[in-house]
Formats: sequence, C-alpha cells, structure tokens
Amino acid sequence: DVKVTQSSRYLVKRTGEKVFLECVQDMDHENMFWYRQDPGLGLRLIYFSYDVKMKEKGDIPEGYSVSREKKERFSLILESASTNQTSMYLCASSPGTSGKREYFGPGTRLTVT
Amino acid sequence: LAKTTQPISMDSYEGQEVNITCSHNNIATNDYITWYQQFPSQGPRFIIQGYKTKVTNEVASLFIPADRKSSTLSLPRVSLSDTAVYYCLVGVDNTDKLIFGTGTRLQVFP
Repeated sequence: DVKVTQSSRYLVKRTGEKVFLECVQDMDHENMFWYRQDPGLGLRLIYFSYDVKMKEKGDIPEGYSVSREKKERFSLILESASTNQTSMYLCASSPGTSGKREYFGPGTRLTVT
Repeated sequence: LAKTTQPISMDSYEGQEVNITCSHNNIATNDYITWYQQFPSQGPRFIIQGYKTKVTNEVASLFIPADRKSSTLSLPRVSLSDTAVYYCLVGVDNTDKLIFGTGTRLQVFP
C-alpha cells in the first residue's frame, strides 16, 4: 500500500510565524503535490514537483514556497503565516507515468490566529 | 486544459444505484478520466480510472462513450458510508498535474 504521511493532522500558528508542513511518501514516486482545500472552492493546487529540486507553481502559489531536497519528501513553507492561510492542506504523490493517479495524505488542518 | 463539469449535489437512498455524470468536452487524446472519493477531514481516495468504454472494479463502474466527452460513475447499491464528495478529473498536461473541480456531494439516506 502506498503511504503518504503528513507531519501533523492539526496545527495552530500565530500570524507572522514561519510554518513548515512536511510530507513523505514511501513509493518512490517522481511527482509530489501540495493542495489546499476550502469550503466551496474544492482543492486548489499550490505547488508541485516532478523531480528532486524541481518545482512548479500551481494555481495559488502566492504566500507559499516549497522544498524538495529528497525524492520522498516535499515541504510546504509559509514564510509569514496569515489568517487567510487557515485551511486544510493536502499532500499527494504520483508516479511519473501516464494515468496520473494520485495518492493523498490525510491532510493537515492549519489554523492561523 | 480539460475542464470538468458535474452536478453540485445528489441525494439517494440506501440500496439504490447512483450514477454521477461528468462532462469534459475538451478532453485531450492522451487524457485519462479518474474519479476520487473524499470523506470529511480526509484526503481524496482513488476510486476508478478509465480511458474508454467501460471499466469495473470492486467499488464502482465507469462508463465512457466513444467520443469521451463525458463519463458516468456508477455506484451499485449505495450505503450510508458512500456519503461523500466525488470528484471527476481528467489529466491536464504532460506535467501530470491534476485539476480538481468542486465535485459532487452525494448524500445517502436510510
């Protein structure tokens, strides 16, 4: 079974703090993704990576950065957290082959106060 | 990029068959069609994937007409535990990026 794990299920941070969300997958997948999910807006892609040290902006990259130093780990960074970044954050991975099936982690519910 | 359109919500009763249709008029030749299921406070879970005609697994069936401009997810004999949001996606480009829409919220009643 593919496992995608995220470092925290729930996180509470203060405005202005630097926040790190970690994601690890154990299936040697090339592709990794970070989404945020908000009521009424579905899942929106923040950043994705198709190889180590490679990254591409998704639909809503503003206020976020990412890091992929190892194939199995993809980190999402909020340089200075703001209240509008309160959301559910979902990490996913997929193999670099056609079909594009993604495996999701359990999510991190981040609250910025 | 292939955009998908699906109903916002559907209601059903236990034991009934549920069919959720998704339209994707701009689907590209190489695109697959994939359906995910999501329960509250969990990540989406893969249900089924297909390219053309019909695909069936232990959970659902996927019907894709010859023109591939739509697809129908069929859930046989739903139960209360099938209450969830169902997303239809098509592959968008060669960077393997998937675009999620707002999904269909299925409510199953006793």
